[in-house]
Amino acid sequence: AQSVTQLDSQVPVFEEAPVELRCNYSSSVSVYLFWYVQYPNQGLQLLLKYLSGSTLVKGINGFEAEFNKSQTSFHLRKPSVHISDTAEYFCAVTDLMDTGRRALTFGSGTRLQVQP
Amino acid sequence: EAGVAQSPRYKIIEKRQSVAFWCNPISGHATLYWYQQILGQGPKLLIQFQNNGVVDDSQLPKDRFSAERLKGVDSTLKIQPAKLEDSAVYLCASSSSWGFEQYFGPGTRLTVT
Repeated sequence: AQSVTQLDSQVPVFEEAPVELRCNYSSSVSVYLFWYVQYPNQGLQLLLKYLSGSTLVKGINGFEAEFNKSQTSFHLRKPSVHISDTAEYFCAVTDLMDTGRRALTFGSGTRLQVQP
Repeated sequence: EAGVAQSPRYKIIEKRQSVAFWCNPISGHATLYWYQQILGQGPKLLIQFQNNGVVDDSQLPKDRFSAERLKGVDSTLKIQPAKLEDSAVYLCASSSSWGFEQYFGPGTRLTVT
């Protein structure tokens, strides 16, 4: 079984400042990792994913994340945030077992609040 | 390319009533998922379909929830009878047979009073 921990429920930050949203996971098998963003009253939009290869992954809207296998982390970063980045961010994992199951296990979310 | 479509967007019902939600996945996506997102939490999988077959329904409360995907395209999720704790956003997602990325619809916000 997998689990995802998002260490901060809320992260307030000023516009144009850098931000890091933390995510740690637990799994007994290899996993794929994702970050999704959810704007109010909308579904989830894929920001970026780590499937294999380079541990530094770049996504949309200037976000990037780094996979650290030894620390079982997948932290999301952006060097300079905008007001429009205010949203809920979810980290998610799915395992690589060849069972056909593709369920995503989500963290509880981090609310990013960008202040002017 | 059209995204995942869901309807209705909002639904308010009284407890013990029944309700149904509809989802149409991205064209060509063989895999369809229903998730339940309770306020303040991340989504939790209810059921996964591959074409019209069920792959995973281990977390579906089968005494009151049911889902079908008869022709392997669109899907319906039903709750009967509803309980107060079913108040949540119900999200539908789809993916290709070979892909791990899931694409989500806008969700249906259910309020049970």
